[in-house]
Amino acid sequence: EPEVTQTPSHQVTQMGQEVILRCVPISNHLYFYWYRQILGQKVEFLVSFYNNEISEKSEIFDDQFSVERPDGSNFTLKIRSTKLEDSAMYFCASMQRETNEKLFFGSGTQLSVL
Amino acid sequence: AQSVAQPEDQVNVAEGNPLTVKCTYSVSGNPYLFWYVQYPNRGLQFLLKYITGDNLVKGSYGFEAEFNKSQTSFHLKKPSALVSDSALYFCAVRQQAGNNRKLIWGLGTSLAVNP
Repeated sequence: EPEVTQTPSHQVTQMGQEVILRCVPISNHLYFYWYRQILGQKVEFLVSFYNNEISEKSEIFDDQFSVERPDGSNFTLKIRSTKLEDSAMYFCASMQRETNEKLFFGSGTQLSVL
Repeated sequence: AQSVAQPEDQVNVAEGNPLTVKCTYSVSGNPYLFWYVQYPNRGLQFLLKYITGDNLVKGSYGFEAEFNKSQTSFHLKKPSALVSDSALYFCAVRQQAGNNRKLIWGLGTSLAVNP
């Protein structure tokens, strides 16, 4: 079965540094998402992306966050100036079409902000 | 406000016995309901969904879930558990209509199937 791939699997950074989390969604999918899961807490929606623009974002997704689909295959999440509370597992997901309602998730990137 | 509750942090069951992982929800209007499973060091995998129609939904790996509108529940079930079913299970919901289309997730339930 096709997979969503995420790199790196682990990222350690200093507070205030910029990080870019990378995702390659499944090739014929049209809808893309970022979620995060802080240890012991709920999976939280960050942002959805369709047709080269953000379609929905949560209150977590503030000005420090941005997403891009720079080349038609990669889907990146950038955090401009990381905070300690950004430490979490970040999951990328994609969906073929909205009526399908089936999300495919990557294995996640564990971000640790020191 | 929309919410999902998975009242059990952990469920333990013996191999071969039936299992149930509970989920209740609160959403405006009719819900879309989902179950996802997370194996160690893996991303979440789709198990099944309820959109409309038959209240009993069958999904991957022999799992099924029953939508109960009056009890606002969507419990995950399997008639005979396998050790390989041991994983973290997440229930999620979103409302069918309106502009708020993001999924709301439960905290997850850790299922341990003992040989």
